[in-house]
Amino acid sequence: QVQLQESGPGLVKPSETLSLTCTVSGGSISSYYWSWIRQPPGKGLEWIGYIYYSGSTNYNPSLKSRVTISVDTSKNQFSLKLSSVTAADTAVYYCARGDPDERDYGGNFDYWGQGTLVTVSS
Amino acid sequence: DIQMTQSPSSLSASVGDRVTITCRASQSISSYLNWYQQKPGKAPKLLIYAASSLQSGVPSRFSGSGSGTDFTLTISSLQPEDFATYYCQQSYSTLYSFGQGTKLEIK
Repeated sequence: QVQLQESGPGLVKPSETLSLTCTVSGGSISSYYWSWIRQPPGKGLEWIGYIYYSGSTNYNPSLKSRVTISVDTSKNQFSLKLSSVTAADTAVYYCARGDPDERDYGGNFDYWGQGTLVTVSS
Repeated sequence: DIQMTQSPSSLSASVGDRVTITCRASQSISSYLNWYQQKPGKAPKLLIYAASSLQSGVPSRFSGSGSGTDFTLTISSLQPEDFATYYCQQSYSTLYSFGQGTKLEIK
């Protein structure tokens, strides 16, 4: 059974960089897309971006200038960095696996981490 | 960007009821539409992918239909564990986007 687990600081100061890591267990990171998705308290879901196991990335244009997603296949991990954070970036951050469809798009999120709340505050 | 709009935003129903939730895309997305269930404090769970395919392990009382711009999620006979928030999500464009959610509450 594939499991994902987010880790990282729960509190980040304004203007600093949010850094999270997702560790994948029970399966290989290869041949799948790996996304970050966030959910502000009491609100809906926002897709942040994905990385393919080969290292290619795609980001939400609304966050693209501040986001970097990287992968470490040797550790079965992928990571999120979001720079210049503000209070608007306070959210539960989820990592999720994207199962490729027949077009090789990885937008079916079939496994999710439990989520981690990141609060931006001084 | 593709906008996803769900209706209703909230819904009250009773155990045993048949419930339908609607999702509309701002442009045609063929059948690249997924449905998720989210319970409080938990991650979303994939229920339906490709508009009508049931994810492994999901009860058969859940079904999805539609193509193009209009889609529905139907729960044939509500069970107590089905009270949750439901989201649609398009995977037609790689700028993935979600609906705003439909909260299903007990009447």
